Amino acid sequence: DIVMTQSPLSLPVTPGEPASISCRSSQSLLHSNGNHYLDWYLQKPGQSPQLLIYLGSNRASGVPDRFSGSGSGTDFTLKISRVESEDVGVFYCMQALETPLTFGGGTRVAIK
Amino acid sequence: EVQLVQRGGGLVQPGGSLRLSCAASGFILDYYWMQWVRQAPGKGLVWVSRIDNEGRTKYADSVKGRFTISRDNAKNTFYLQMYSLRAEDAAVYYCARGAPGSYKFDQWGQGTLVTVSS
Repeated sequence: DIVMTQSPLSLPVTPGEPASISCRSSQSLLHSNGNHYLDWYLQKPGQSPQLLIYLGSNRASGVPDRFSGSGSGTDFTLKISRVESEDVGVFYCMQALETPLTFGGGTRVAIK
Repeated sequence: EVQLVQRGGGLVQPGGSLRLSCAASGFILDYYWMQWVRQAPGKGLVWVSRIDNEGRTKYADSVKGRFTISRDNAKNTFYLQMYSLRAEDAAVYYCARGAPGSYKFDQWGQGTLVTVSS
């Protein structure tokens, strides 16, 4: 199974400041079609997860442009250009290259 | 409105069975690769199973042989039949809509709690 490792586990943030979360996979997520099968999800308190980024860098419909995804191979990053108070929750990366699909352990973002 | 509405869940004894359902509205299930993901209390997300647009299925090793995913296109609904439930299966179960290839889970159900206890 592909192991997904996120860091940090916890991230205190100041509204208006940038934030960054790292996700590493135990093997490359590059498919032969040229896409990296890495998604990012945010689970706000008491809610179902919601899709932020798919295929490494594609912002999902309705997701604010302050969220961006980047990376390749085994190293990926989610960046928030200016954190807002509504961004609190747990962020997860997920590899979709092969089954079993696997999630990172999560990064809890909270306002300082 | 595009949404997934879950039913089922509840309290079941160890060794018991339960069926979860996930009804789609606002879109047709046929095209999508539908997923089940679970989350134990206070824990992270864990993928459980998927069924693709041709009915092919995949399972996590922890549920293989005990859980069955299926779909009823006429009802625009898919299911997770769970047998031989164990304490470690207790979790909130989410259904999700995935793109072909099992990425981009862009619609999620509201989640349903499964409790396994005597």
